[in-house]
Amino acid sequence: GDSVTQMEGPVTLSEEACLTINCTYTATGYPSLFWYVQYPGEGLQLLLKATKADDKGSNKGFEATYRKETTSFHLEKGSVQVSDSAVYFCALSDSTSGTYKYIFGTGTRLKVLA
Amino acid sequence: GAGVSQSPSNKVTEKGKDVELRCDPISGHTALYWYRQSLGQGLEFLIYFQGNSAPDKSGLPSDRFSAERTGGSVSTLTIQRTQQEDSAVYLCASRQSSGNTGELFFGEGSRLTVL
Repeated sequence: GDSVTQMEGPVTLSEEACLTINCTYTATGYPSLFWYVQYPGEGLQLLLKATKADDKGSNKGFEATYRKETTSFHLEKGSVQVSDSAVYFCALSDSTSGTYKYIFGTGTRLKVLA
Repeated sequence: GAGVSQSPSNKVTEKGKDVELRCDPISGHTALYWYRQSLGQGLEFLIYFQGNSAPDKSGLPSDRFSAERTGGSVSTLTIQRTQQEDSAVYLCASRQSSGNTGELFFGEGSRLTVL
């Protein structure tokens, strides 16, 4: 079945450091790919998405490129801030099975130190 | 309301009791999802409703779990004879349209503790 694998955390960085959170997926069809973020004490919210191969999603300085050849959707940011501290979830949605389940990874906790 | 509303926000119950968790999706959203988030785990898919179609129940972990969606709007997740391993945060999400490109909007969850 479809699955998402993302790097385990926690990831601890100093402010202004570069961030990469790896995400790879397995899907039988042509999924859409997402990154969701959960800030402390808040619900999950969409950070960015890409719906087809080679698309780049971007938001709040974060970027991720849909790489079909490597089945990856790594999250990157050039300079993190303390306010980026949160849990990040990679997710996919595939329609091959006839329904639109959204499958999530286990989440990666990011802590940014001032 | 403006967002997905879930109640109760916290529920503490004794092992063996039944619990009901409620989700009120964003008005007009046709798709509704339930997920379970356990400590240190990701989001585990439970069930998905799309309009008037039969729900996708493939993620329900046992027959103690059931869910319904009345009138295409409010949904209730019921857990019968709760066990300690049912302790988790239960998240509801809704989506506006069919297809696999749309954004899920999440509620803040119902935290269930089974003693």
